[in-house]
Amino acid sequence: GDSVTQMEGPVTLSEEAFLTINCTYTATGYPSLFWYVQYPGEGLQLLLKATKADDKGSNKGFEATYRKETTSFHLEKGSVQVSDSAVYFCALREGGSNYKLTFGKGTLLTVNP
Amino acid sequence: GAVVSQHPSWVICKSGTSVKIECRSLDFQATTMFWYRQFPKQSLMLMATSNEGSKATYEQGVEKDKFLINHASLTLSTLTVTSAHPEDSSFYICSARSLGGSSYNEQFFGPGTRLTVL
Repeated sequence: GDSVTQMEGPVTLSEEAFLTINCTYTATGYPSLFWYVQYPGEGLQLLLKATKADDKGSNKGFEATYRKETTSFHLEKGSVQVSDSAVYFCALREGGSNYKLTFGKGTLLTVNP
Repeated sequence: GAVVSQHPSWVICKSGTSVKIECRSLDFQATTMFWYRQFPKQSLMLMATSNEGSKATYEQGVEKDKFLINHASLTLSTLTVTSAHPEDSSFYICSARSLGGSSYNEQFFGPGTRLTVL
């Protein structure tokens, strides 16, 4: 079945540091890939997505590129802020009429001033 | 836009009682809603897909008689945990699938409900 593996946290960085959160996936077809963010006390929010190979999703300074050859979708940000502290989830959705999302375990990011 | 609410945000109940959790799409209609369960430091696990006006589709290993889902309108789905036991204690999250505009097919998530069964 489908699965998503993302790096275990927690990740602690200083403000303005470079962030990478690794995510790899296993899927039978051609999935769409997502990064969701969960701020304390809030629901998951879509951060960015990519629907086909070599697509780059970007939002709020975060980027991730859909790499079919390495089955990866690593999240990056060049300079993190304290307000980026949250839990980040990598997820995939198979194509066709299947709307189900398969999530990774989540990575807690803490950014210190 | 595209806000999903859940009520209650947390609930404590005695073992053997039933608890109902509501999921509402506040500013859009959702023919499909999803219910997830999240354990500490674990991923979200899909429990069931709730379709307006029809029976829910449960994932393998999820007891449909234990977790009753009703999706009676385009903006409301409910999850009832029947005869709750301590092992049902968890964080329950719903999402609603949007069919409109630029957010077509995107899932919008509620803030979750923390259930503690004593």
